[in-house]
Amino acid sequence: DAGVTQSPTHLIKTRGQQVTLRCSPKSGHDTVSWYQQALGQGPQFIFQYYEEEERQRGNFPDRFSGHQFPNYSSELNVNALLLGDSALYLCASRRTGVAEAFFGQGTRLTVV
Amino acid sequence: AQTVTQSQPEMSVQEAETVTLSCTYDTSESDYYLFWYKQPPSRQMILVIRQEAYKQQNATENRFSVNFQKAAKSFSLKISDSQLGDAAMYFCAYRSAIHDNDMRFGAGTRLTVKP
Repeated sequence: DAGVTQSPTHLIKTRGQQVTLRCSPKSGHDTVSWYQQALGQGPQFIFQYYEEEERQRGNFPDRFSGHQFPNYSSELNVNALLLGDSALYLCASRRTGVAEAFFGQGTRLTVV
Repeated sequence: AQTVTQSQPEMSVQEAETVTLSCTYDTSESDYYLFWYKQPPSRQMILVIRQEAYKQQNATENRFSVNFQKAAKSFSLKISDSQLGDAAMYFCAYRSAIHDNDMRFGAGTRLTVKP
């Protein structure tokens, strides 16, 4: 059983560009959440998707958007990239109503 | 809003010894979950242990145990018989059980294990 998988693992983008990150949840999981982890800090919640809808959102600007597909996989899109968007982006999945979430290995985004 | 505080940016322990990592949180809710996650250099967050707030008994997973003090809003992690593979960043996290919300993390504690 594959766990949570994220792609790509590393990415370098130029300021002002747009980026799409992808996440496939663990089998049987229907809730996907995205986190941003800056260097040396704890993960910060971006948003959560369930049944293809954004159910909850953290304190991130509208440049951050997402999508969940019928197979529960998810995308995170970031427009008009800033240098400050450089971070590790983590995807976590769980079954709704279950306590623990499982994380992917993350996508390291560098904006230059 | 719920907040999670880890006041120890770095901790060090001798191999085979015991170490305790501290975590405090702030919430007005009565039903919630608390977690400790480990993040090694490979970057993947690995669940170490979980505690439900309604349970008085402290959770234990092999060499890992917690001291959950609900009234004090404290949730510390004890690692016994420390091993070199325990070296990592450790994050404390909170999640409401009422609203099925997502997790809030502390800033982390970097644990070094000395041989």
